[in-house]
Amino acid sequence: EDQVTQSPEALRLQEGESSSLNCSYTVSGLRGLFWYRQDPGKGPEFLFTLYSAGEEKEKERLKATLTKKESFLHITAPKPEDSATYLCAVQGGTGGFKTIFGAGTRLFVKA
Amino acid sequence: DAEITQSPRHKITETGRQVTLACHQTWNHNNMFWYRQDLGHGLRLIHYSYGVQDTNKGEVSDGYSVSRSNTEDLPLTLESAASSQTSVYFCASRAGGSYNEQFFGPGTRLTVL
Repeated sequence: EDQVTQSPEALRLQEGESSSLNCSYTVSGLRGLFWYRQDPGKGPEFLFTLYSAGEEKEKERLKATLTKKESFLHITAPKPEDSATYLCAVQGGTGGFKTIFGAGTRLFVKA
Repeated sequence: DAEITQSPRHKITETGRQVTLACHQTWNHNNMFWYRQDLGHGLRLIHYSYGVQDTNKGEVSDGYSVSRSNTEDLPLTLESAASSQTSVYFCASRAGGSYNEQFFGPGTRLTVL
């Protein structure tokens, strides 16, 4: 069964304290892995797409990486405005064009 | 700018009533999706459409229906609302033909009493 698991469920950081969020997946024939950011009371907002193992994407303090079994979202020197829920999602496997989402990691960055 | 909107943003209804949630996108995307989001479950797919007159069931489709009469709109209907359908509902759209990202609406918070 295609599955996406994110860890940790919640992460509390001090401002400037770098860390990583994990997304592990079991999908045969991955076509794309996506990262979204979701602020409270809003819809998810697209961050990155990764298509193949070894690929990396960066945006400001965020860097996403991909292996054959998992993806990491690295946050360097986070700021309070980075506080949000980060969602990982995959396409491929038996789902085809459908997207399977993980439950998300809630990130809290304290000033 | 292109966008995706949902209405209403908040809705309170009673058990057994029919409810319709609207979703409208101006991206001209062929693919549209409805999800529900509950604590601990993430986003779960209710129904989806790959084009006009096309609709498909997702993993949690029982008690819900959709229709697609044009490219811009995909309304979601709860035939007879149940308390288990209290949730936040998100509509999304995506350009078809490849593995692209989705664009989400702001969500509708539905409470069934």
